Amino acid sequence: KNQVEQSPQSLIILEGKNCTLQCNYTVSPFSNLRWYKQDTGRGPVSLTIMTFSENTKSNGRYTATLDADTKQSSLHITASQLSDSASYICVVSHDRGSTLGRLYFGRGTQLTVWP
Amino acid sequence: GAGVSQSPRYKVAKRGQDVALRCDPISGHVSLFWYQQALGQGPEFLTYFQNEAQLDKSGLPSDRFFAERPEGSVSTLKIQRTQQEDSAVYLCASSLRDNRRRIEQFFGPGTRLTVL
Repeated sequence: KNQVEQSPQSLIILEGKNCTLQCNYTVSPFSNLRWYKQDTGRGPVSLTIMTFSENTKSNGRYTATLDADTKQSSLHITASQLSDSASYICVVSHDRGSTLGRLYFGRGTQLTVWP
Repeated sequence: GAGVSQSPRYKVAKRGQDVALRCDPISGHVSLFWYQQALGQGPEFLTYFQNEAQLDKSGLPSDRFFAERPEGSVSTLKIQRTQQEDSAVYLCASSLRDNRRRIEQFFGPGTRLTVL
């Protein structure tokens, strides 16, 4: 069964601190992995997209890593800000060749940054 | 430029009532997706359009759910005879081309449906 598991479910950190969120997946065959940020009451917004051959991708203070062999990814946030408080969702795309690759979403990690 | 918009943002329906949720994708985006997001969960795929063609509707949970995109732009998700388990946020996303590989999907703010 194609699944995406994220940990921790929720996380509270102080402003300025770093944190790392984890994602494990069983989606196969794999096409790409994405991290989204979803603010409360808003739609998800893409942070990074990585394919099989990429093992790290940065977007400002966000750095995603991918180990396609162990089917694990992480999202590292440095120097956290209050505006980082959101749900971070790991999304894996199923590779179906020339047809649409279905997206599989994790449940998200709810990050709260305290001043 | 304008992003994906959805209306209404909130909808309260009595059980058994029919509802229609609208999605306006980004202009020029070929692909359109509908997702259902239950409270505390990640989005679950419902259906996918490429232009006006509904290429994948395997995620629709029952025959009470129906989606259309008659002119390849605006899409409507219709739920007939709503049930309490239909309560969720319904997200619409669009992308420039088909969703292979790295093509980005842009999400709307969602419609929160509450069935009483």
